[in-house]
Amino acid sequence: AQSVSQHNHHVILSEAASLELGCNYSYGGTVNLFWYVQYPGQHLQLLLKYFSGDPLVKGIKGFEAEFIKSKFSFNLRKPSVQWSDTAEYFCAVGPLNTGNQFYFGTGTSLTVIP
Amino acid sequence: KAGVTQTPRYLIKTRGQQVTLSCSPISGHRSVSWYQQTPGQGLQFLFEYFSETQRNKGNFPGRFSGRQFSNSRSEMNVSTLELGDSALYLCASSMGTGGSYEQYFGPGTRLTVT
Repeated sequence: AQSVSQHNHHVILSEAASLELGCNYSYGGTVNLFWYVQYPGQHLQLLLKYFSGDPLVKGIKGFEAEFIKSKFSFNLRKPSVQWSDTAEYFCAVGPLNTGNQFYFGTGTSLTVIP
Repeated sequence: KAGVTQTPRYLIKTRGQQVTLSCSPISGHRSVSWYQQTPGQGLQFLFEYFSETQRNKGNFPGRFSGRQFSNSRSEMNVSTLELGDSALYLCASSMGTGGSYEQYFGPGTRLTVT
């Protein structure tokens, strides 16, 4: 069965610290990969996406993610976090040719301390 | 361009009742997907509609159903409500289907079953 694992459930960082959130998935076919963010009181928003090409993708607000096919991973990174990055982060996998049935990880709650 | 809208935003129902939730996608989007979000399970896919046809269905009982209208608006219905149906129900729209389109999420409908 398809699954998406986010190993860090809660992360607490000080401002200016570097961030890396892990995401691993299990799916045998071709997939598209996404990171979504949910700020407190707001709805899910797309941070970045990977469809094909350069495995290092850049998103909004200085976030980037690297797709490593051999490890079935799509880790999210940011060199220097800000207090405004406090949010819940979700990794999602969209297998091709299965409609829009996305599989989401259970999310990582990030708290950035000023 | 207006985002995805969902109505109502909050609902309180009693066990055994039924409920209908509504979703209006972004103008021009033809695919609407529904997800259930709970603290323990994260986001779980319910179903997707594209051009008024159900494309995919997640692993939910038949009490959960949906439909899509010719203007792409979608409704989902839950009959014989159970306490475990309490969740945030999210609607997502995209221009197309097949996993190659990013999904845009609405604010959700918070359903509480007592």
